[in-house]
Amino acid sequence: SYELTQPPSVSVSPGQTASITCSGDKLGDKNVCWYQQKPGQSPVLVIYQNIKRPSGIPERFSGSNSGNTATLTISGTQAMDEADYYCQAWDNNSYVFGTGTKVTVL
Amino acid sequence: QLQLQESGPGLVKPSETLSLTCTVSGGSIRTSSYYWVWIRQPPGKGLEWIGSVYYTGSTSYNPSLKSRVAISIDTSKNQFSLKLTSVTAADTAVYYCSRRPATSVAGSEYFDYWGQGTLVSVSS
Repeated sequence: SYELTQPPSVSVSPGQTASITCSGDKLGDKNVCWYQQKPGQSPVLVIYQNIKRPSGIPERFSGSNSGNTATLTISGTQAMDEADYYCQAWDNNSYVFGTGTKVTVL
Repeated sequence: QLQLQESGPGLVKPSETLSLTCTVSGGSIRTSSYYWVWIRQPPGKGLEWIGSVYYTGSTSYNPSLKSRVAISIDTSKNQFSLKLTSVTAADTAVYYCSRRPATSVAGSEYFDYWGQGTLVSVSS
């Protein structure tokens, strides 16, 4: 089955840029989306179709996807961005989620 | 504003059937624009897609769960439901219902609205 691999954790200082990677075989040929999940809450869609932001998501969230790696970038990271982040793609008639990355704002 | 709300027993015995219902408010479930989805998350772990249903009753399931899963839809009640048979402790999770827009390009789908989730524990 298809696998999406993310680093378990990423640390970032307030105001700096956080980059979260998601790796999978020929992932650049697929559409990737990203979800933010804060403790005790449901996931929230922050990026879809690789680069699009849903209404209400701040511009500091952006996405890219090429080769075997998709990246979620948070520019000017704020304390409120501290959360778990999951990538997601579709493969072989199934929706696959990444392993998840915990972003800590130090 | 669309809202999704999961309901059902919080405790299920091993080998029995887990049954959950998602009630949708703020919009009709009887639409060609969306699919209705179940996703779960074991405590402290990642997300897993369980399956989807269309307003016509057409379904698709995660191959790893397909033999035990059934998702149905009741458009008259604006609800859709999940049944998972022969549960074990590994099925203990927070179960979310969600919405997926129907997109023109296969593989470009995403989940844009989520319920608050309900914890289902499997234990005797």
